[in-house]
Amino acid sequence: NAGVTQTPKFRILKIGQSMTLQCTQDMNHNYMYWYRQDPGMGLKLIYYSVGAGITDKGEVPNGYNVSRSTTEDFPLRLELAAPSQTSVYFCASSYGQLQDTQYFGPGTRLTVL
Amino acid sequence: AQKVTQAQTEISVVEKEDVTLDCVYETRDTTYYLFWYKQPPSGELVFLIRRNSFDEQNEISGRYSWNFQKSTSSFNFTITASQVVDSAVYFCALRRSQGNLIFGKGTKLSVKP
Repeated sequence: NAGVTQTPKFRILKIGQSMTLQCTQDMNHNYMYWYRQDPGMGLKLIYYSVGAGITDKGEVPNGYNVSRSTTEDFPLRLELAAPSQTSVYFCASSYGQLQDTQYFGPGTRLTVL
Repeated sequence: AQKVTQAQTEISVVEKEDVTLDCVYETRDTTYYLFWYKQPPSGELVFLIRRNSFDEQNEISGRYSWNFQKSTSSFNFTITASQVVDSAVYFCALRRSQGNLIFGKGTKLSVKP
């Protein structure tokens, strides 16, 4: 099992560009999540999905979009990148909701200049 | 309000010292889960422990131990005989009924040889 994989590992964007952060899990988990981690801070939830075709906003969804067409994949789309979106992005997955541990991918470090 | 507070921003110890990382949480839920994650310098998030709100037994895993006290809303983490490899940022997190994790800001632990 590869667990949760994320691509790319690093990316530099110019203001106004768009990109998609990829996330794939091979654990057959129903739930998937996107978090961002700003320097010196904990992680904040951007979007989450409870299954294919179902997504919902987290704490900081503005400027992002997600889709979940398959159980395995949960891409995060940035439209019109802004410097405030410079952060490390983590994807996570869990089998169920409350009691299940979330397993994290290695992260994507994004810089918007 | 749901909140996790890790008051210690940074701790520095010498190898073989014991160290305790504090975590205080706030929630109105009666059922919730608490987690500790480790983030080594390489950046990934490593799951350490999960504890549910109905189980106040302390847990020990090798040099790691956790003390959960509902009366003080605390879930502290102790490393006994610390080692250089324990150097990392440690996050405490609360999972409430809606499913997403609420993270503290983390405690950076530096263990000097």
